[in-house]
Amino acid sequence: NAGVTQTPKFQVLKTGQSMTLQCAQDMNHEYMSWYRQDPGMGLRLIHYSVGAGITDQGEVPNGYNVSRSTTEDFPLRLLSAAPSQTSVYFCASRSMAGGTDTQYFGPGTRLTVL
Amino acid sequence: KQEVTQIPAALSVPEGENLVLNCSFTDSAIYNLQWFRQDPGKGLTSLLLIQSSQREQTSGRLNASLDKSSGRSTLYIAASQPGDSATYLCAEGGGADGLTFGKGTHLIIQP
Repeated sequence: NAGVTQTPKFQVLKTGQSMTLQCAQDMNHEYMSWYRQDPGMGLRLIHYSVGAGITDQGEVPNGYNVSRSTTEDFPLRLLSAAPSQTSVYFCASRSMAGGTDTQYFGPGTRLTVL
Repeated sequence: KQEVTQIPAALSVPEGENLVLNCSFTDSAIYNLQWFRQDPGKGLTSLLLIQSSQREQTSGRLNASLDKSSGRSTLYIAASQPGDSATYLCAEGGGADGLTFGKGTHLIIQP
């Protein structure tokens, strides 16, 4: 299993540009989520999904859109990038099999908005 | 709203020492409490999860405890090694609305 994969690893955008951060998992997990990590702020939840076709907002959803057309993929879209969206973005999937509750995080995407 | 605090923010100790990392939370009605490790430039790796009904969990040299009444969790690392150097994050939650993270403790183990 590849686990949780994210692309790209690094990205530089200009203010106003749009882009999609890709996230995929091959573990057949229903629950997936997006976090952003900022210095001095910790990780904060952006959006999450409990299954294909179902998404919901987290703590900091403004400026981001998500969709979940398949179990495997959970892309995060920046509609009009702003410097405040400069951050490291982590995608995670969650397993609750066998009474466990384990979160698997991808390696992250480092985004800079100029 | 749940708030999670980790103390200290940074810690540097000689190799071989036993150490304790602290995590506190404001709402005792927790779902579960998790500890993660993050290496520089990498994602998070789950270390230990303590369910709300549990008091502690152990994995190798790591032991995590949970005291809901005082709103505290501790991560105990025995016989520390340079490879333990990383940032350690605690997080509460895991329900449908995700995890609430502390800001982490940056740990350096000196050879």
